Amino acid sequence: NAGVTQTPKFRVLKTGQSMTLLCAQDMNHEYMYWYRQDPGMGLRLIHYSVGEGTTAKGEVPDGYNVSRLKKQNFLLGLESAAPSQTSVYFCASSSLQRVISTDTQYFGPGTRLTVL
Amino acid sequence: QKEVEQDPGPLSVPEGAIVSLNCTYSNSAFQYFMWYRQYSRKGPELLMYTYSSGNKEDGRFTAQVDKSSKYISLFIRDSQPSDSATYLCATQRPGGGNQFYFGTGTSLTVIP
Repeated sequence: NAGVTQTPKFRVLKTGQSMTLLCAQDMNHEYMYWYRQDPGMGLRLIHYSVGEGTTAKGEVPDGYNVSRLKKQNFLLGLESAAPSQTSVYFCASSSLQRVISTDTQYFGPGTRLTVL
Repeated sequence: QKEVEQDPGPLSVPEGAIVSLNCTYSNSAFQYFMWYRQYSRKGPELLMYTYSSGNKEDGRFTAQVDKSSKYISLFIRDSQPSDSATYLCATQRPGGGNQFYFGTGTSLTVIP
């Protein structure tokens, strides 16, 4: 049971280049999320998914696209990278709990992205 | 106004000290509160959660919610160097939907 894994761990891009970050979870969770973490800004939600084939915008979605073709995978795409997208990106997943007090999120190890 | 506000620190304490980490939140409808611990260059991991108000204790850690003042706290007793990390408070969007709001995190260093 690997939990939440992210690929790649590090990446350096030039302005205008594109890339895709891959997140995979083996816990059969319905919900998946992409966050970015910047100094002084905390974790900010980019996009999220409540199930296979569904996606929704979070707090800072501009410049990013996502897809959830399979329940276990959630992809984050940057079509034309900008220096402002330099950040640490975290994927997370959680299960759908009817008893609200037991909801938790499990995070991946992060992807450090630098855009020059 | 952000949903959750947190003093970023940094906070430095000697080993064995009692640590108090605090957050405030904006919406009285929030009922579910969490504390995450994040070691350097790692993803956050859930440390504790509480529902509604009151205290919850787990070993050396106590989470406290004061709904009247919209204040949440994490206390660490007998702090250890291994507690050195960034601590993030979080709450869940009312109505479920599994969306979470995070504080910016407080960096803690416990000096041996």
